[in-house]
Amino acid sequence: DAGVIQSPRHEVTEMGQEVTLRCKPISGHDYLFWYRQTMMRGLELLIYFNNNVPIDDSGMPEDRFSAKMPNASFSTLKIQPSEPRDSAVYFCASSRQINSPLHFGNGTRLTVT
Amino acid sequence: AQSVTQLGSHVSVSEGALVLLRCNYSSSVPPYLFWYVQYPNQGLQLLLKYTSAATLVKGINGFEAEFKKSETSFHLTKPSAHMSDAAEYFCAAGGTGFQKLVFGTGTRLLVSP
Repeated sequence: DAGVIQSPRHEVTEMGQEVTLRCKPISGHDYLFWYRQTMMRGLELLIYFNNNVPIDDSGMPEDRFSAKMPNASFSTLKIQPSEPRDSAVYFCASSRQINSPLHFGNGTRLTVT
Repeated sequence: AQSVTQLGSHVSVSEGALVLLRCNYSSSVPPYLFWYVQYPNQGLQLLLKYTSAATLVKGINGFEAEFKKSETSFHLTKPSAHMSDAAEYFCAAGGTGFQKLVFGTGTRLLVSP
């Protein structure tokens, strides 16, 4: 079990650029979650998928954020255009059931200058 | 809305002292409860979980938590703190009454020599 794999680990970009974060969940996990963590706001759920279908995107902050899950083994979170206030650590997590323990990736630290 | 409250954003203990991190949840139905630990530059890792089998739950690294329905609490304890326990700890609740896993705001544990 390789765990949840996120890439890149670090991303530094300039304001206005497009950013794409990637996630490979654990095989056999039907749920995938995207979280954002900042000092000010803590851990925020952005969106989650069940069997590749977005179920709840109420946490997505703005239309600049979008997430896709084209298949059971891959998901992306895209920010276009990026802004300095998007700087945060973005985590992907997966689980077998909605209330099963979550398995987190090591996160992507995004810095927007 | 269902919620999870962690009292104290920071807790400081001396090495060898008792660790007590507090967590309360709001739900009329006992939920599933979890404690996660986050070390610097890493994702959250499951420490232990309560799923109604036993009120005292033992986790990894010598931690345990007790579910008290009358107090709607799920406090995390460890008899003797180690320097390696310094991390941020998150309580989370899910299950009936919770549409999705709800996290507390986290408690940073500081351990001094």
